[in-house]
Amino acid sequence: KQEVTQIPAALSVPEGENLVLNCSFTDSAIYNLQWFRQDPGKGLTSLLLIQSSQREQTSGRLNASLDKSSGRSTLYIAASQPGDSATYLCAVCTDKLIFGTGTRLQVFP
Amino acid sequence: KAGVTQTPRYLIKTRGQQVTLSCSPISGHRSVSWYQQTPGQGLQFLFEYFSETQRNKGNFPGRFSGRQFSNSRSEMNVSTLELGDSALYLCASSLDRNQETQYFGPGTRLLVL
Repeated sequence: KQEVTQIPAALSVPEGENLVLNCSFTDSAIYNLQWFRQDPGKGLTSLLLIQSSQREQTSGRLNASLDKSSGRSTLYIAASQPGDSATYLCAVCTDKLIFGTGTRLQVFP
Repeated sequence: KAGVTQTPRYLIKTRGQQVTLSCSPISGHRSVSWYQQTPGQGLQFLFEYFSETQRNKGNFPGRFSGRQFSNSRSEMNVSTLELGDSALYLCASSLDRNQETQYFGPGTRLLVL
């Protein structure tokens, strides 16, 4: 059974720091992995999608990597800003999206 | 291009009632999936529809059902509501589930009293 874990569960950093959020999964048989952010009480915003054949994807200050063989993905956020404060979720796609429990990020000025 | 829309945004129901939630996908998207989000269980998959056919179903009781129309709009229905059904219900659409980015709507927050 696929299980997705995210570490840390919560993170509080000053503005300007570079961050790494971790996601691990137990079964490498995935189509892709997607990172989302969720603001309180809102829906999910897609950040990056990495196909199973890819190693990384970049969008602006975000970079996501995927190591399928070890069951790990990382989301790197460069030069964090208060507007980055949100919960970050990773999800692996099998025949459905299976989500991790999220990392709650707070970036303070 | 308009995003995924969900109606209503908020609902208050009492135990035993039934509820219908609606989701309109992004134009051209044929796959619509539904998820339940609760503080205790996180995000859990309910079901997926593709071209009006249920393609996959999660581990939820039969009180949870859904359907998809020819224009790809989808509805989910929960009958005989229980307190534990209080949650944020999210739908997501994509061109096709396995290779494409899934785009989520803002959700419907259901409170069962």
